[in-house]
Amino acid sequence: DAKTTQPPSMDCAEGRAANLPCNHSTISGNEYVYWYRQIHSQGPQYIIHGLKNNETNEMASLIITEDRKSSTLILPHATLRDTAVYYCIVRNDKIIFGKGTRLHILP
Amino acid sequence: DARVTQTPRHKVTEMGQEVTMRCQPILGHNTVFWYRQTMMQGLELLAYFRNRAPLDDSGMPKDRFSAEMPDATLATLKIQPSEPRDSAVYFCASGLSSGARSTDTQYFGPGTRLTVL
Repeated sequence: DAKTTQPPSMDCAEGRAANLPCNHSTISGNEYVYWYRQIHSQGPQYIIHGLKNNETNEMASLIITEDRKSSTLILPHATLRDTAVYYCIVRNDKIIFGKGTRLHILP
Repeated sequence: DARVTQTPRHKVTEMGQEVTMRCQPILGHNTVFWYRQTMMQGLELLAYFRNRAPLDDSGMPKDRFSAEMPDATLATLKIQPSEPRDSAVYFCASGLSSGARSTDTQYFGPGTRLTVL
């Protein structure tokens, strides 16, 4: 599975859009981009995934560049409850978690 | 709403004791994954099953860890004998795979926090 690179931490003001970047320059054609998050003391929670096209659901939007070498997770209106570690994962089989981005939502 | 359940939620034991952790996957799911999380190593995949058959347990210390699925509604992770370095949170996840590869969405349980003294 391809390796991903994420910033270790980010801040975002409450009510603003949180844009979390992920680089996956070695992604191969059949590998999906998945995003999970882990709120303190809970199990990881699925957010969204995509292959080539941008995706949106009730939680977030996923923007994947045309060359698929990077992606951005967008939380449109961040709340304090969105404070968590966000993991970007590239997979075609097993999910391998990296260190993720620790997102702090500031009141 | 359907959830993965794990028991016990917390376990404190002494070194050398056997520990069994249980997981009930979401009804109808056919893949089960076991992960271990520590501050130092983060989330590590230990093993996974599809249709109750073990597909990969390369992340699991073979000498003391074993994972099984006695039936479709129960997965177990056993440590015998336990050691202090096994102290961690153990997560189970389940998913529904329709192909040869697991690109299914995994749903995680709340975890079992294990402390080995």
